[in-house]
Order: sequence, then structure tokens, then C-alpha cells
Amino acid sequence: DAGVTQSPTHLIKTRGQQVTLRCSPKSGHDTVSWYQQALGQGPQFIFQYYEEEERQRGNFPDRFSGHQFPNYSSELNVNALLLGDSALYLCASNTAGETQYFGPGTRLLVL
Amino acid sequence: SQQGEEDPQALSIQEGENATMNCSYKTSINNLQWYRQNSGRGLVHLILIRSNEREKHSGRLRVTLDTSKKSSSLLITASRAADTASYFCATAPGIQGAQKLVFGQGTRLTINP
Repeated sequence: DAGVTQSPTHLIKTRGQQVTLRCSPKSGHDTVSWYQQALGQGPQFIFQYYEEEERQRGNFPDRFSGHQFPNYSSELNVNALLLGDSALYLCASNTAGETQYFGPGTRLLVL
Repeated sequence: SQQGEEDPQALSIQEGENATMNCSYKTSINNLQWYRQNSGRGLVHLILIRSNEREKHSGRLRVTLDTSKKSSSLLITASRAADTASYFCATAPGIQGAQKLVFGQGTRLTINP
């Protein structure tokens, strides 16, 4: 049973560019959440998708957007990258229960 | 913003000793969860305790929850080198159990052989 998978594992971009990160949820899960984790900090909630709709959103600017596909996989898009967007981006999935299972993350470096 | 705060921020003990980490939070919660993270990789779910529970065990882990003090503790007994990691508490705020998790800044645990 595959867990949550994310791609790519690492990414280097320059300021102003756009990036797309991908996530496939654990089998049987229909809800995907995205978190940003800066170095030395705890993860911060970006948004959550359920039934292809954004259900909840954290305190992130509109430069952060997402999408969920009919197969429940999800994308996180970040436009106009800033140096401060450098972080580990974590995807988590769950179903009706509370436990969220996390993927290995995508480490984004913005130069 | 971070809701939870872990204490201590860093903890170093000898293998075989017990490790205790504490977490405080600010708002009412539906449940509290503890996660482990090795070297900046993905988070591994350890245990979930609901707001109406006071204590929960899983193997060498014991979690307590005091909703009146808005605090929780994670005890790892008989620590092993493999327990070296960062540990985070995460709360699901709200009575209805809002899905988002709010994390603290974590405790960095080092187990010395």
C-alpha cells in the first residue's frame, strides 16, 4: 500500500519564477493538505482540498494556489517566487478521520 | 501563526533514559497529535489523543492531555539512538474538528549512545 508521494524531491528556482509541486495521496484518502516548513520551524498550513475544492486556507498570499484532480492527487503552485518561499513543502492526506499522513516533502530553494 | 509551543526546544539524553517533551496550545481543540521528523524529511504520525481522553499509550510512547491547562506531554521510555529526531505536537482546533493541523516549533531530541 503506497503512502503519500510527492514530486519532485528537490527543486531550485530563481526569484520571480513559478513552481508546481505534485502530491499523490495515500490509497483510499480523498483529502489533501499542503504545509510549508521553513528551516527550524514547524509546518504551517497552506490549504486543504476536498472534492476538488479548496476547503480551508491558511494565512498565505494568493501567489499560492492549488488544485485537486478527480483521482484526488493535488498540485501546489507558487507564482512570483520570493527568497522567503524557500522551504520544505509537505503534502498530507486523510479521509474522514483526523489522522493526516505526510509525504516525504519537496525541498524548494529560491535563489 | 504557531498555536503550540513545545518545551524544551532541544533535549539530549543517554540511550536507555526516558525523554519527556511538553506541548502547550492556546485554543480549544478536537484532538492533539504527535509527529516525528527525521532530518527535515516527512512527518511520521505517532499518536492521536482526543480532547475527551487524558492518557494514551502506544508501545514505548505515553501521551497525556490536560485540556484545563491546554497542555500535553509525550514520554518516550527506554530511548534508543533511532529515536533521535524532531518531535512536533499538532492540534486540530475547534469543536468540530477542523481538518487543518496547527504545529508547534518542535523539540529536537538527541539520544547519545
